[in-house]
Amino acid sequence: NAGVMQNPRHLVRRRGQEARLRCSPMKGHSHVYWYRQLPEEGLKFMVYLQKENIIDESGMPKERFSAEFPKEGPSILRIQQVVRGDSAAYFCASSPQTGYSNQPQHFGDGTRLSIL
Amino acid sequence: QKEVEQNSGPLSVPEGAIASLNCTYSDRGSQSFFWYRQYSGKSPELIMSIYSNGDKEDGRFTAQLNKASQYVSLLIRDSQPSDSATYLCAVNGDSSYKLIFGSGTRLLVRP
Repeated sequence: NAGVMQNPRHLVRRRGQEARLRCSPMKGHSHVYWYRQLPEEGLKFMVYLQKENIIDESGMPKERFSAEFPKEGPSILRIQQVVRGDSAAYFCASSPQTGYSNQPQHFGDGTRLSIL
Repeated sequence: QKEVEQNSGPLSVPEGAIASLNCTYSDRGSQSFFWYRQYSGKSPELIMSIYSNGDKEDGRFTAQLNKASQYVSLLIRDSQPSDSATYLCAVNGDSSYKLIFGSGTRLLVRP
């Protein structure tokens, strides 16, 4: 399967715990994007990363959220001290190396985060 | 603030009919336009991309773009029950890699 791989598919955390969401881009893609989808809403951009670089994190909350895309391994979206409002579906997308605006982004199956 | 607007629906059509889904966007500088299909609990799946004014056809799907009116639409011919899903319109700008999504239109194709 050469698609965007996300894990876990479902993640349950209690308030105050940490959540780590992983994303491996499609083969040949080096640009990764994270989006959040609240129930009955569209996807909202969070962050755009290339290998070892955060290009744009303007959609990510300033506190508790961080993202990385190391030289080796998947991209990680990390949420510290989770609160109920963090409950959502988190989608990762990737695009080819060129990263031009007209390159379609291909999405993974998402991680459904539930906060108890 | 850049916005993408869609009617939330549901849009209900009988099997075999043409389904017409519409989207408007606020940023005149937008250059790239995409339609994604999302089944409940699943990932958005790219259906069509369109970059210039006019129509683009791919199988049963036709995307239409009118930049002067800031309007993009998706036509689904010979609608099938399996087309029942939420259709998301997404737009990005000339130098922007961010996709701005509408909230989606739910399509229901009645057998």
